[in-house]
Amino acid sequence: KQEVTQIPAALSVPEGENLVLNCSFTDSAIYNLQWFRQDPGKGLTSLLLIQSSQREQTSGRLNASLDKSSGRSTLYIAASQPGDSATYLCAVAPINTGTASKLTFGTGTRLQVTL
Amino acid sequence: DVKVTQSSRYLVKRTGEKVFLECVQDMDHENMFWYRQDPGLGLRLIYFSYDVKMKEKGDIPEGYSVSREKKERFSLILESASTNQTSMYLCASSPGTGYGYTFGSGTRLTVV
Repeated sequence: KQEVTQIPAALSVPEGENLVLNCSFTDSAIYNLQWFRQDPGKGLTSLLLIQSSQREQTSGRLNASLDKSSGRSTLYIAASQPGDSATYLCAVAPINTGTASKLTFGTGTRLQVTL
Repeated sequence: DVKVTQSSRYLVKRTGEKVFLECVQDMDHENMFWYRQDPGLGLRLIYFSYDVKMKEKGDIPEGYSVSREKKERFSLILESASTNQTSMYLCASSPGTGYGYTFGSGTRLTVV
């Protein structure tokens, strides 16, 4: 059974720092990996989607990498801002024989960027 | 951009009531999903649908049912609400296997 782990569970950094969030998964048979952001009491906002054949994706100050063979992904946030404060979730879409690919989520990293 | 709309942000219902949570997507996606999110337990899949009128149970279907009469709308039904169904409910859609998910803004349901 696929398991997804995110470390650290919580992180506090001063504004302007570059930071890395980690995600690991146990089964490399995946279609893709997706990073989400969740603000308190809100839904999930998709940040980046990496297909299994890709190594990285970039959007603005965000860069996500994928090493499928080692079961790892990182989300790099450059020049962090207080507005980046949120919980970040990674999720993998396992390859299976079911009728739809169902995401398996990590438990998230709660990020606080301080002034 | 795909939009997934959940009809209510906050709901308060009484124990034993029948509750309908509605979700609508505007991009002709095949797959739709209902999750609940609880502190310490993360996101758990309740039900999903891969086509109109087609549905499958997720990890925690007990106490819930779903309806998908039209492709764009996926409803979650709590037949007889109980206090342990107090939670954040999240709807998502996806074009199909191997594609990314788009989530709605969530419905915070409180059962008293």
